[in-house]
Amino acid sequence: GAVVSQHPSWVICKSGTSVKIECRSLDFQATTMFWYRQFPKQSLMLMATSNEGSKATYEQGVEKDKFLINHASLTLSTLTVTSAHPEDSSFYICSAGELVSSYNEQFFGPGTRLTVL
Amino acid sequence: AQSVTQLDSQVPVFEEAPVELRCNYSSSVSVYLFWYVQYPNQGLQLLLKYLSGSTLVKGINGFEAEFNKSQTSFHLRKPSVHISDTAEYFCAVSSFAGNKLTFGGGTRVLVKP
Repeated sequence: GAVVSQHPSWVICKSGTSVKIECRSLDFQATTMFWYRQFPKQSLMLMATSNEGSKATYEQGVEKDKFLINHASLTLSTLTVTSAHPEDSSFYICSAGELVSSYNEQFFGPGTRLTVL
Repeated sequence: AQSVTQLDSQVPVFEEAPVELRCNYSSSVSVYLFWYVQYPNQGLQLLLKYLSGSTLVKGINGFEAEFNKSQTSFHLRKPSVHISDTAEYFCAVSSFAGNKLTFGGGTRVLVKP
């Protein structure tokens, strides 16, 4: 089956620093990748959709300059949290879309827990 | 725009008992429907999906769900749960045209021995 990895699985950083999270599709090419944020005991909220070779599309209320997304290849997308603050602490999950018939099915990574001190 | 409502935030259930998790959605267009399971500190795993065809969908781990268009529901059921089914369950929808998933608030299932 389709496998998606994320790195790192957890990260602790100081306030004001930047953190990069990688999302890779290991056995398929993903033209579209999605980034979600999940607060404790809450649901997933879509942050942005990224297509390979083009700019990401951000959801309303998500700061583009704070959450930088790069989708340079069909197997790798990165999310950089710039100048992180404690309120950015969360569980970040990516998914990669694989075209199945006429539908782009999403396969989810294991998530990255970010803690900003 | 779509929305998903999971009516129960928590469902305690005894081992080997049946469980039903309720999901209702709202959409102005036709949708695909999904159920995912999330174990602690992990990503999401697809349990089952409805794209078209039979309204009764069977998934992994003995789960099944029924799509009811008139009631805009997609309830998840399992006839006999195991301790290992303790997890968070999310219902989600996606429109035919787009690929974005809209998630419900989640239902935490706690299976007791």
